[in-house]
Amino acid sequence: EAGVTQFPSHSVIEKGQTVTLRCDPISGHDNLYWYRRVMGKEIKFLLHFVKESKQDESGMPNNRFLAERTGGTYSTLKVQPAELEDSGVYFCASRVGFYSPLHFGNGTRLTVT
Amino acid sequence: SQQGEEDPQALSIQEGENATMNCSYKTSINNLQWYRQNSGRGLVHLILIRSNEREKHSGRLRVTLDTSKKSSSLLITASRAADTASYFCAEETSGSRLTFGEGTQLTVNP
Repeated sequence: EAGVTQFPSHSVIEKGQTVTLRCDPISGHDNLYWYRRVMGKEIKFLLHFVKESKQDESGMPNNRFLAERTGGTYSTLKVQPAELEDSGVYFCASRVGFYSPLHFGNGTRLTVT
Repeated sequence: SQQGEEDPQALSIQEGENATMNCSYKTSINNLQWYRQNSGRGLVHLILIRSNEREKHSGRLRVTLDTSKKSSSLLITASRAADTASYFCAEETSGSRLTFGEGTQLTVNP
């Protein structure tokens, strides 16, 4: 089966610009998660979709971040406008149900200059 | 926020030695999971241990869970250079999310 894929793998943008990250989960995985790791610190939860619905978005840092999962398939995470502190690696993960392993993509390394 | 905390932050050993990493957490959990991340790649699931389990094995990996101390350990036996990676524990409480720590960077020297 195809794994979780993320695009792009790297993105370098200037402060104030907009960036959209995309995640394609494993087919049939209703649960999709976004995480972020900044400067080698802990991997922080951003939000969780169940199908197309936001189950938990308590980790979203502010309203500059917008996540969508139209149709319950792929998901996008838009940062607008980007700030320097948004730099980091953004991971997407999916799984079939709760209390099971997460399957991660390779991440998108975002650098805001 | 509650999160797993790995100890040590960095560990350097020689090939063939055993590596032990510890994880502490703060709440009651449904399960605790261990992941590995190679540089530039995504996290890969290693082992899931449920709250009613005390020990699990998978190949050269052994995970223990002590719910009274809210701690877990990951033992890698007979380490290889290819085991060099970051290792994370993640706690799952009531579903929805897994909460990760900062990880342990393991370096296995040939």
